[in-house]
Amino acid sequence: DTEVTQTPKHLVMGMTNKKSLKCEQHMGHRAMYWYKQKAKKPPELMFVYSYEKLSINESVPSRFSPECPNSSLLNLHLHALQPEDSALYLCASSQEQGMDTQYFGPGTRLTVL
Amino acid sequence: EDKVVQSPLSLVVHEGDTVTLNCSYEVTNFRSLLWYKQEKKAPTFLFMLTSSGIEKKSGRLSSILDKKELFSILNITATQTGDSAIYLCAVGAGGTSYGKLTFGQGTILTVHP
Repeated sequence: DTEVTQTPKHLVMGMTNKKSLKCEQHMGHRAMYWYKQKAKKPPELMFVYSYEKLSINESVPSRFSPECPNSSLLNLHLHALQPEDSALYLCASSQEQGMDTQYFGPGTRLTVL
Repeated sequence: EDKVVQSPLSLVVHEGDTVTLNCSYEVTNFRSLLWYKQEKKAPTFLFMLTSSGIEKKSGRLSSILDKKELFSILNITATQTGDSAIYLCAVGAGGTSYGKLTFGQGTILTVHP
């Protein structure tokens, strides 16, 4: 089983809203990732968690706040987003950080009005 | 800065054709090169290559890595309409980028019946 699940599939929010994206994997992977993908562009890394600790933050604005409550779950808390933050947000996991085969979830399509 | 470049950016073929997709890279502390297929949402893993000259093969798809010349190719033989997708090349690096995948911009493949 190489499944990574993400909820919700679609999200529309205003600039003053607070919302969260959720990601879950049950493969026993210890590294989890958030990527942002704009239309017709490749995925861009945002955060890496390794063993539930933040390992890499690619200089992401503080209006994006990641959280890893346990080894299977990864959240991305959103607050005061801008319309240019509208994108597909992909979660991925790998066995360990640096074991490069990452398995991706289906993504959350976010629209900020 | 790590760089991954794919060519062509788009390709239109007919069923039964053979296609070759290219990926070149400039990466400090190269660890691996990965190919993903992205249809509507999640990139799905195809191959990971770490050693030069070794061909990875799965059905009609095959890939090879040349670490001396810093490129990889993905071949698809006897293409089918279901092969229509964006093919992403990504490179995994070590050092301060340990665990990070840098993606190329993708090749959009369209296979007509």
